Amino acid sequence: DGGITQSPKYLFRKEGQNVTLSCEQNLNHDAMYWYRQDPGQGLRLIYYSQIVNDFQKGDIAEGYSVSREKKESFPLTVTSAQKNPTAFYLCASRTSGSTDTQYFGPGTRLTVL
Amino acid sequence: GENVEQHPSTLSVQEGDSAVIKCTYSDSASNYFPWYKQELGKRPQLIIDIRSNVGEKKDQRIAVTLNKTAKHFSLHITETQPEDSAVYFCAASISGGYNKLIFGAGTRLAVHP
Repeated sequence: DGGITQSPKYLFRKEGQNVTLSCEQNLNHDAMYWYRQDPGQGLRLIYYSQIVNDFQKGDIAEGYSVSREKKESFPLTVTSAQKNPTAFYLCASRTSGSTDTQYFGPGTRLTVL
Repeated sequence: GENVEQHPSTLSVQEGDSAVIKCTYSDSASNYFPWYKQELGKRPQLIIDIRSNVGEKKDQRIAVTLNKTAKHFSLHITETQPEDSAVYFCAASISGGYNKLIFGAGTRLAVHP
């Protein structure tokens, strides 16, 4: 999982602002995922993508948007429509085929001021 | 959709004791069950996984058991050590395709010397 990077590590946002979280992988993985983690809760799926130019909404997609223009990149935009964006955001990737293992990036902690 | 429940939410053991964490899932089509360990502020790391065609899997001090009929699976850690202290998450998914992982809420394990 060292081949998955996220930036920045910490991000502060004012209310009403859109912010974009970066996720890059050099593992040649086809599938990529974004999760949100809140204290005391498990990871919840925001968006996922199987291939370039394809992505699907997860369980909590409202207020978020993504793009998948390149295989190695899957940025997440947290829009002003997301009412409670303060959380730890984790990106993951998985190769296609028979393996199911998802590898996680180091995460971005977003705080709304 | 799939729902995963995890118990207990916190677990405290003495060093050398065993620890058991249990999860139940709702979708009988789920056939892939990973366990992740997450240290404070870090990314989740896969520690063991099991597929529905296997009832038990071991890796040194860690084992996972699966009961498909009852739709529950458990993580067993023997001879616990202080470095086992972390939050453990179970998850369930349907192998292949988008492989959407549904996570339990997590168990905070504390191993006391």
